[in-house]
Amino acid sequence: LAKTTQPISMDSYEGQEVNITCSHNNIATNDYITWYQQFPSQGPRFIIQGYKTKVTNEVASLFIPADRKSSTLSLPRVSLSDTAVYYCLAPGGFKTIFGAGTRLFVKA
Amino acid sequence: DSGVTQTPKHLITATGQRVTLRCSPRSGDLSVYWYQQSLDQGLQFLIQYYNGEERAKGNILERFSAQQFPDLHSELNLSSLELGDSALYFCASSLRTEYNEQFFGPGTRLTVL
Repeated sequence: LAKTTQPISMDSYEGQEVNITCSHNNIATNDYITWYQQFPSQGPRFIIQGYKTKVTNEVASLFIPADRKSSTLSLPRVSLSDTAVYYCLAPGGFKTIFGAGTRLFVKA
Repeated sequence: DSGVTQTPKHLITATGQRVTLRCSPRSGDLSVYWYQQSLDQGLQFLIQYYNGEERAKGNILERFSAQQFPDLHSELNLSSLELGDSALYFCASSLRTEYNEQFFGPGTRLTVL
């Protein structure tokens, strides 16, 4: 079961790029890395998923180095509404372990 | 709107009681997951069903049980409730397995008094 480690919290300002790194040292060969966003009292929402190198969608980019022991979620030009908890997941089998996540606070 | 529905939205009950939480997955999704989130805590995975069969079990208490019915909706039964069971309970669904994107419902807020 791949254990993930993320910073507990981060602060940023509107308009800045935010990079949140997650380490998953014992990720399994067939595991994908998935990131979710959660606002208070709401269910998490899928942001992006990747296996290796770089994946980009309309809201974020995900960078995964060749050894796949870490990944970085990049949020371009954050706004106040990006204040949320961000979870990195590497399933490692049948169980979905969310971990504590990173609490991002975007300031004006 | 994720397409996952959960009922009820809020539930207030007393210690020692039993409640049932219901989840309807997105149309076409075969997997259903249940999570518990206590105040200011992370999401705790409870259990996963795939097409009616239990697929994975997390830190689910023996007082809790779940099932997925032939129409793919799922129910989470919580019995002998304790104050510490007060939490948000989320249901999520995915097309097939845990490797697929999970779509979360709005949650059921359970308060045990």
